[in-house]
Amino acid sequence: GAGVSQSPRYKVAKRGQDVALRCDPISGHVSLFWYQQALGQGPEFLTYFQNEAQLDKSGLPSDRFFAERPEGSVSTLKIQRTQQEDSAVYLCASSLESGSYEQYFGPGTRLTVT
Amino acid sequence: KQEVTQIPAALSVPEGENLVLNCSFTDSAIYNLQWFRQDPGKGLTSLLLIQSSQREQTSGRLNASLDKSSGRSTLYIAASQPGDSATYLCAVKGSSYKLIFGSGTRLLVRP
Repeated sequence: GAGVSQSPRYKVAKRGQDVALRCDPISGHVSLFWYQQALGQGPEFLTYFQNEAQLDKSGLPSDRFFAERPEGSVSTLKIQRTQQEDSAVYLCASSLESGSYEQYFGPGTRLTVT
Repeated sequence: KQEVTQIPAALSVPEGENLVLNCSFTDSAIYNLQWFRQDPGKGLTSLLLIQSSQREQTSGRLNASLDKSSGRSTLYIAASQPGDSATYLCAVKGSSYKLIFGSGTRLLVRP
């Protein structure tokens, strides 16, 4: 079956622009996660949804970052007034449930802020 | 706070060698540990998932072990091939649902 998909795959934004990154999880997966991966580093947790409820947003770096999953399926990560330090790969993952279930990752969106 | 460390940061070996990648974590209270592969410009591909009650998992030429008490995991790759060249990431899941990643080991297998 289809895996996790993300769009766009690449995004170049000028500093100060707003961007929206989309994640389509595996069908039927309850849990959805966003991670941020800086160059040469491992991914770092941003936020977690269980169905449409955002249960943890402790990893969001600032109030310029906002995520939603209004119908418990597709999720959007929005970054307002982008800064150069926002340049990174943004990875989305989904799992059947939380707990000990395996997380499946999408290909990521590479954001470059110029 | 859980911290995950991977050693070495980079590794270059000739084709055919058996090799071991190391992962250590500071908090032994984990649900599971996953090993991922990441090719340049790509997302993460899950290689092996070891539940906290398990000691090892095997898939083809890959074998991962877990020693919770010492906070260590190893990924063993047998008979390495140039196609194994990638970054290998280790991640643990604790009492929360989030994965905590190491910085990865960049592997180059030379033909």
